[in-house]
Amino acid sequence: GENVEQHPSTLSVQEGDSAVIKCTYSDSASNYFPWYKQELGKGPQLIIDIRSNVGEKKDQRIAVTLNKTAKHFSLHITETQPEDSAVYFCAAGRGEGYSTLTFGKGTMLLVSP
Amino acid sequence: GAVVSQHPSRVICKSGTSVKIECRSLDFQATTMFWYRQFPKQSLMLMATSNEGSKATYEQGVEKDKFLINHASLTLSTLTVTSAHPEDSSFYICSAPRFRQGVYGYTFGSGTRLTVV
Repeated sequence: GENVEQHPSTLSVQEGDSAVIKCTYSDSASNYFPWYKQELGKGPQLIIDIRSNVGEKKDQRIAVTLNKTAKHFSLHITETQPEDSAVYFCAAGRGEGYSTLTFGKGTMLLVSP
Repeated sequence: GAVVSQHPSRVICKSGTSVKIECRSLDFQATTMFWYRQFPKQSLMLMATSNEGSKATYEQGVEKDKFLINHASLTLSTLTVTSAHPEDSSFYICSAPRFRQGVYGYTFGSGTRLTVV
């Protein structure tokens, strides 16, 4: 089965700095890689996703890069704000046949004013 | 669009009682629903997969007689925690895969915080 590793487990940055979270996966058949933001007591919210036919995707301050050869993908948040503070999860899945996602262990991002 | 409504958001129950959690797809048909459990400061762990009109598939180590899943319609899947014990206290989240404008993705419910006392 798929195995997703996520680093770091905790990330503290100053407001305005950039934050990078990295994930690796094991199943070469995975082709869908979403990132979720989870605030305390709430369900995961999709912030960005990437599919295996592209290497990079950007949405305002958030970007995701994918290297299928190395089986890793990363989340980049620029100009961080205190409201970005949350737990971020990466996930990987086959994106077909209603297959499930496998999640990383999460990264707690703390953005200090 | 593509909303999954999950209820209740919080529930406290006594040991030995049963609790039902509902997930409804509001604007699409959810033929499949994934049920996850998340303990504090941990990741989401898949418990089971429900499919409309058929028996759910449980992950290894998840007791099917304790966590009863029903997916009787294309818009409703339920998880019933039977004979709950304090160790069942957790955050339960449902998720439905869906196609939207030709693109595949997942919609998550807002979660249910279960506390067994």
